[in-house]
Amino acid sequence: DSGVTQTPKHLITATGQRVTLRCSPRSGDLSVYWYQQSLDQGLQFLIQYYNGEERAKGNILERFSAQQFPDLHSELNLSSLELGDSALYFCASSVGQGNTEAFFGQGTRLTVV
Amino acid sequence: GENVEQHPSTLSVQEGDSAVIKCTYSDSASNYFPWYKQELGKGPQLIIDIRSNVGEKKDQRIAVTLNKTAKHFSLHITETQPEDSAVYFCAALPSGNTPLVFGKGTRLSVIA
Repeated sequence: DSGVTQTPKHLITATGQRVTLRCSPRSGDLSVYWYQQSLDQGLQFLIQYYNGEERAKGNILERFSAQQFPDLHSELNLSSLELGDSALYFCASSVGQGNTEAFFGQGTRLTVV
Repeated sequence: GENVEQHPSTLSVQEGDSAVIKCTYSDSASNYFPWYKQELGKGPQLIIDIRSNVGEKKDQRIAVTLNKTAKHFSLHITETQPEDSAVYFCAALPSGNTPLVFGKGTRLSVIA
């Protein structure tokens, strides 16, 4: 158990809908990172937050947004969902801003039908 | 920006044999190189990492080597066991507060 908690584990929704994925980082970690993993693909970095502020942005679509709350948990919002958004979404956390020793959650499997 | 190439994409070995996965990186300023193991249905798990000030690090049956001059690093697993079967990802951390850049992964199958 990495200490990073993601909910829900599975999500099935229709095209055009909006969903929210939740991540609770390890105790003491200030950084949260979101990654997308499509079938047989690597880990694509989406966005990073550090202590409530956006720190880095990767290949995140405009339909996607995220935030980190004062209690350090983070939410990833995906809207106007398309079939191609079906993927595993992982959250990782680390103590500092640079993600040395980053620990991943178990992921949320999103299926868009 | 940083680019990480990982080879091979798939690797099959007999139980008890060694497995080697290689990665190259492009940014000479990168200074941290972790390896992650992802089992089916689970999130990536950090198994070993190395920083740019050392050339080799070992932890029981796994070891990582780093050649800064050539900008490549490798994962070595000895005496492989069926439970080593998984997808392995290498990554590099560029200097500054930038996120890890991952390789595309290697699917390792250990045949009993």
